[in-house]
Amino acid sequence: ELKVEQNPLFLSMQEGKNYTIYCNYSTTSDRLYWYRQDPGKSLESLFVLLSNGAVKQEGRLMASLDTKARLSTLHITAAVHDLSATYFCAGTYGGATNKLIFGTGTLLAVQP
Amino acid sequence: EPEVTQTPSHQVTQMGQEVILRCVPISNHLYFYWYRQILGQKVEFLVSFYNNEISEKSEIFDDQFSVERPDGSNFTLKIRSTKLEDSAMYFCASTRTSGGLLNTGELFFGEGSRLTVL
Repeated sequence: ELKVEQNPLFLSMQEGKNYTIYCNYSTTSDRLYWYRQDPGKSLESLFVLLSNGAVKQEGRLMASLDTKARLSTLHITAAVHDLSATYFCAGTYGGATNKLIFGTGTLLAVQP
Repeated sequence: EPEVTQTPSHQVTQMGQEVILRCVPISNHLYFYWYRQILGQKVEFLVSFYNNEISEKSEIFDDQFSVERPDGSNFTLKIRSTKLEDSAMYFCASTRTSGGLLNTGELFFGEGSRLTVL
């Protein structure tokens, strides 16, 4: 069974700083997803990483995937307060259902 | 932009009561899911549904749970006799395909239904 772990669980950072959230998964995952969740809200899709070495960037966020290391990273560049949210990675081993297995989540708090 | 819609946004019920949560997936999507999130915890898979039948379910999805797509647009989750531990946010999600070389298999989530069992 696929297991997905994230670290850190909580990240407090100052505006303007850089940081990385790590997502490790236990077995082969066909693809890797990153979602953002604001408090009490739904899950918003940020990135879909489909293959080894995939890198995607949107604004101050950049996600990458290393399937050999079973690791994905979400890098935050020059954080701003609007990025404060919980970030989840999710893996899947595909099959007929494309069931997503979510990580524990990283609560990011960007302080002014 | 098409979106997944869920009702109710919040439901409070007494332990032992039946609850039905409703979802309208994106219209051309073929795969449907229910996930739940207990407050402050991670998002857990409950069940997936394709071609009018359950394709996969988790250990959480026991005999107290059922899903249905009664009319080709709605997708419902029923909890027959609610327990205190069923209190959670329930998310419906849908996707057009299950993934593959050219498809992302990206799931689109609704806003969630918060269930509080007293």
